[in-house]
Order: sequence, then structure tokens, then C-alpha cells
Amino acid sequence: SAVISQKPSRDICQRGTSLTIQCQVDSQVTMMFWYRQQPGQSLTLIATANQGSEATYESGFVIDKFPISRPNLTFSTLTVSNMSPEDSSIYLCSVQDETGSSYEQYFGPGTRLTVT
Amino acid sequence: DAKTTQPTSMDCAEGRAANLPCNHSTISGNEYVYWYRQIHSQGPQYIIHGLKNNETNEMASLIITEDRKSSTLILPHATLRDTAVYYCIVRVGAGAGSYQLTFGKGTKLSVIP
Repeated sequence: SAVISQKPSRDICQRGTSLTIQCQVDSQVTMMFWYRQQPGQSLTLIATANQGSEATYESGFVIDKFPISRPNLTFSTLTVSNMSPEDSSIYLCSVQDETGSSYEQYFGPGTRLTVT
Repeated sequence: DAKTTQPTSMDCAEGRAANLPCNHSTISGNEYVYWYRQIHSQGPQYIIHGLKNNETNEMASLIITEDRKSSTLILPHATLRDTAVYYCIVRVGAGAGSYQLTFGKGTKLSVIP
């Protein structure tokens, strides 16, 4: 299974600032995703990070607020822009494992963001 | 993707089998049943998946009813480390385009000493 790392693991930020979260995978993958988990809630998909093209955003999420980069098949970044306390969440990167036939997804450890 | 229904919480004695049910009565013929779990403060972990046959791996067994409208995840000998939120997700399989996982609220399993 793919090994995924995220940086930073946690951060405390002031409102109005931006934070960029990095996701690194130990193998080349086609599909990478970014999820958000608000306190006490389940995971919600933000967007699919596409290599070489713009990310595909889910309803309720926009590029201006959550710009995503995917420069190659092992790396992606998610920026949380102009943060407010409502952005306090865990942000998770996941990848699709296409080496077998099952196409399961694997998740990184998450980035715990607190906005004050 | 089809919607799933799971109990909010369950308790299980350590060393006993934990049986976690999931209803997915609107599942389509090309949709698989996936199970993930999330231990506190960690990212979700893939457990097992299946289409219509029962499946077993080193972590768990998955029993899917013949009509595919429900399934049960079985942890044969629960340990304290199995305490987590367990998510049952129905999703189209490989090659079908959308690989998105839609997470519901899951079942919070507490393994009790």
C-alpha cells in the first residue's frame, strides 16, 4: 500500500492568513484527493487533484478558497486561503491505489488546523 | 453512489467477535461495499471490500447478504486497538469512472476490557 506523509501535522493560524499543506506519496499515483473533517464530523471531499490540469472541486468548495497544485504524480498541495475559525478542521490527503484490481484509497495522517 | 445506514455506536468485549452491520438497500449491481475505519486522530484506514461474495483478509471478514442489501463486518477477536469509527461505503468499482468515497457518520465501536 502507498505511504503518504503530510506537512505540517498541525498548525495554529490567525484569521485572514493562508496555510499551504503538503502531501507526499512514496509511489506514483494517478488519483489524489483532498478531504476535510470538521470537529466531530465525518470526512467531506474537497477536490480531486489532477496532475497537469486544474483540480476538480466538489459542490461548496471553490478554487479561490482552496487552491490546489499537483506538479507531479507523487506530490500535491492544498492551500487554505483567507482563513476564518470555521476553517478549523483536519485536512486529509488520500491516493487511489491502482496497482491491484481493488482500487482502494489510502489516507495520510492529516493536518490539524486551528484558526484563531 | 448508494446511501448506507449504520448504528451510531456499539460496544464489544475484548477478545470477542465484533459484528458491525450496514444497510445499503439501494445498492446497484456495479457497486462494491467498502469498509474503512478511523482511529482517533488518525487518517482513515482501508479494511476490506467486496461485491457479492464473502471476503476475508488478515484484518476482518465481510459477509454480504444474497440480495446485497446489507452486509456485516466481522472483527473475529476484538482488541482495545480496534476501538475506532467504522465506515461502510458503497462505491462503483475499478474502471467505472468515479473513485470518490462518500463517508457517512459511521459506527463508533468501543472495545471494552
